[in-house]
Amino acid sequence: DIQLTQSPSTLPASLGERVTISCRASQSISNSLNWYQQKPDGTVKRLIYSTSTLESGVPSRFSGSGSGTDYSLSISSLESEDFAMYYCLQYATYPYTFGAGTKLELK
Amino acid sequence: EVQLVESGGGLVKPGSSLKLSCVASGFTFSSYGMHWIRQAPKKGLEWIALIYYDSSNKYYADSVKGRFTISRDNSKNTLYLEMNSLRSEDTAMYYCAKGFAYWGQGTLVTVSS
Repeated sequence: DIQLTQSPSTLPASLGERVTISCRASQSISNSLNWYQQKPDGTVKRLIYSTSTLESGVPSRFSGSGSGTDYSLSISSLESEDFAMYYCLQYATYPYTFGAGTKLELK
Repeated sequence: EVQLVESGGGLVKPGSSLKLSCVASGFTFSSYGMHWIRQAPKKGLEWIALIYYDSSNKYYADSVKGRFTISRDNSKNTLYLEMNSLRSEDTAMYYCAKGFAYWGQGTLVTVSS
């Protein structure tokens, strides 16, 4: 199975700050990676698909990049609604796997 | 607007069975692969099953293979997850998802004696 190592597990940050979350795969996943945001009420929203394509309606301050085994999600200028859990997902190979998550919290 | 509404969760004893449903609307259900994903309390997300749009292929996580069965009824726009031999570690919120793009709100399954 492909393991996704997501870091950091917790990310304290301030409003307006730029942050980056990393997701490293145990083998190449050929850009088959999505990023999700989960709010405290459990609502899950896809932000980015295929490494770097922004989901319709998602603010442009979110961006994704990467290739091979290393991928990242960046938020250019944090707003209050961005403080949440973030997960990466690989769909290159069955079984599909998620990263362990990053909690973005207000510093 | 895409809507996915899960139901069928509840409190069950270890070793018992449960069948979850996910009713879809707002898109052509019969054209999309559908997934079940779960999240144990205070834990991360775990993909557990996929069914192709026409039920021609099904895939499972090792943790549920042989115990859970994913199925669909395209005439009813409904996705199912039949869960047998339930264990305490199956306790989780269960989400259905349309091709990973849209997710429902989840239904809670608690396995406890």
